[in-house]
Amino acid sequence: NAGVTQTPKFRVLKTGQSMTLLCAQDMNHEYMYWYRQDPGMGLRLIHYSVGEGTTAKGEVPDGYNVSRLKKQNFLLGLESAAPSQTSVYFCASSYSGTGYGYTFGSGTRLTVV
Amino acid sequence: DQQVKQNSPSLSVQEGRISILNCDYTNSMFDYFLWYKKYPAEGPTFLISISSIKDKNEDGRFTVFLNKSAKHLSLHIVPSQPGDSAVYFCASWSQGGSEKLVFGKGTKLTVNP
Repeated sequence: NAGVTQTPKFRVLKTGQSMTLLCAQDMNHEYMYWYRQDPGMGLRLIHYSVGEGTTAKGEVPDGYNVSRLKKQNFLLGLESAAPSQTSVYFCASSYSGTGYGYTFGSGTRLTVV
Repeated sequence: DQQVKQNSPSLSVQEGRISILNCDYTNSMFDYFLWYKKYPAEGPTFLISISSIKDKNEDGRFTVFLNKSAKHLSLHIVPSQPGDSAVYFCASWSQGGSEKLVFGKGTKLTVNP
């Protein structure tokens, strides 16, 4: 029972490079979310999905794109990384949008130099 | 516009004493309130929740109190243990509203032996 798995766990990028963060869940959850955590800023929602093939913008979507081609996977892309995107990224999933049962991954620490 | 506020970035208590973490909210439409706990290098995990129709919910050493008239909730940990040292996030959700939780910025609790 893996829950929510994020890959990679750590990554260092140079400014302007691109990368994709992968989130995979094995709980058959409909809803998936990408958050970023920065010191003193709490958890801020980047993008989310309410089902396969759907995506929606969250609080801080600029500079990121997402895709949910398969129900179990939610990808977060950075097309041209910037130092301001240095952060810890968390993926979460839930059965419904009730707020209960958010299961988080262990995070991806991204540094953009 | 911060709908969920945790005004204390940090809190330090002695082992065995009570820890009180506070959270204020502005949206009177919130129906559910949750507390998440986060250890370093791990994702947040659900701790305890309360519905807006209640004013108290207890689970072992953890009790959450809700004061709707003041739009305030608090998490009490009694007795506090060193293993409780973590960042605690308050979160809120509105039934019939958006499909996502709104998080506070977190309070870092340190329980000293």
